[in-house]
Amino acid sequence: KAGVTQTPRYLIKTRGQQVTLSCSPISGHRSVSWYQQTPGQGLQFLFEYFSETQRNKGNFPGRFSGRQFSNSRSEMNVSTLELGDSALYLCASSLDSRAANTIYFGEGSWLTVV
Amino acid sequence: DAKTTQPNSMESNEEEPVHLPCNHSTISGTDYIHWYRQLPSQGPEYVIHGLTSNVNNRMASLAIAEDRKSSTLILHRATLRDAAVYYCILLAYSGAGSYQLTFGKGTKLSVIP
Repeated sequence: KAGVTQTPRYLIKTRGQQVTLSCSPISGHRSVSWYQQTPGQGLQFLFEYFSETQRNKGNFPGRFSGRQFSNSRSEMNVSTLELGDSALYLCASSLDSRAANTIYFGEGSWLTVV
Repeated sequence: DAKTTQPNSMESNEEEPVHLPCNHSTISGTDYIHWYRQLPSQGPEYVIHGLTSNVNNRMASLAIAEDRKSSTLILHRATLRDAAVYYCILLAYSGAGSYQLTFGKGTKLSVIP
């Protein structure tokens, strides 16, 4: 079956702009979570959505937001981009929120802010 | 959040077994132990997970200590494709029925031909 799909794979934005990243989870998966990966901070949790509701949020400023649609697809948005937002943004999906479930990651979206 | 401790790096010769240790002394009774690995420029890949009993799958084996305060990921025959950063993660609910993965620094495994 198809894996987690993230688009776009690569993008370059200018400081102050905003960006929207998209994630299509594995068919049947209802939980989608987002992570930011940078060389300095490693992998950090952004937020998790289940059935269109954000149920958990990491320690990121309000410029980072997301949403989930009824088909479980998810988007995340970063407004007023800063140079420090340059990172690999990863989406992950699982059947639901049970800790016993396997979590599957996409290949990520590489964002460069100039 | 429950924390894990892993060595920063390890080396293995190709076709030899590799034992990657992880300490999680603050694990709670409902925390699952998950292992993921990440190859350069790719998203993390699921390897294995367990709760109390040892687990085996086609990729690896997971040995969990009886007190659950530590675990070991075992790659039976390392190949060059196994060179990656390996993350040991504790996964549990975190309020409102949700969860989050808390990644540490992981162990960078180098495989020597």
